[in-house]
Amino acid sequence: AQSVTQLDSHVSVSEGTPVLLRCNYSSSYSPSLFWYVQHPNKGLQLLLKYTSAATLVKGINGFEAEFKKSETSFHLTKPSAHMSDAAEYFCVVSDSTGFQKLVFGTGTRLLVSP
Amino acid sequence: DTEVTQTPKHLVMGMTNKKSLKCEQHMGHRAMYWYKQKAKKPPELMFVYSYEKLSINESVPSRFSPECPNSSLLNLHLHALQPEDSALYLCASSQDWTTGVNEQFFGPGTRLTVL
Repeated sequence: AQSVTQLDSHVSVSEGTPVLLRCNYSSSYSPSLFWYVQHPNKGLQLLLKYTSAATLVKGINGFEAEFKKSETSFHLTKPSAHMSDAAEYFCVVSDSTGFQKLVFGTGTRLLVSP
Repeated sequence: DTEVTQTPKHLVMGMTNKKSLKCEQHMGHRAMYWYKQKAKKPPELMFVYSYEKLSINESVPSRFSPECPNSSLLNLHLHALQPEDSALYLCASSQDWTTGVNEQFFGPGTRLTVL
């Protein structure tokens, strides 16, 4: 069965500094991986997705993630944090059999200070 | 139109009430989903519809009754809910998965409070 582990429940950065949100996955086959962001009391917005094409995936708002099979990782990065990046981030793996159910990580709360 | 809309945004109901949540998308997606999200937790899948047919029911209590009247609409009928059912209810849609892995697009959710 597929699973994802988000290694940090909270990450705090200062505005203008780099962001690193860590995610490790477990899958018996080549996974499809996503990062979603959720601002308070809002729905989820897709940041980026990996589906076995390029291992470096660029998303919206300056975010990118690198798929590393040898490390079973899919970490999310951004060179310079903005106050508006403060939100909950979910790393997600898709069940590629049957109905492609999404398996969510527990989430990482990103805090951005001025 | 790349938006999933949900109504109402907020709903407060008593345990004896009957209410419905509504979800709509006009992206031509043939798969639609209901999720329940408790505070500080990831979303939990409740139901999946594919081509207007119920494909997955994640052992959800019968007080939640989904309905897919057409390919653009998804309803969730609520009856005799419990206070622990209070949560954010999210709707999502995606293209048919037979065309490959497709991301799900989420609506803004309905914040439900059961008194």
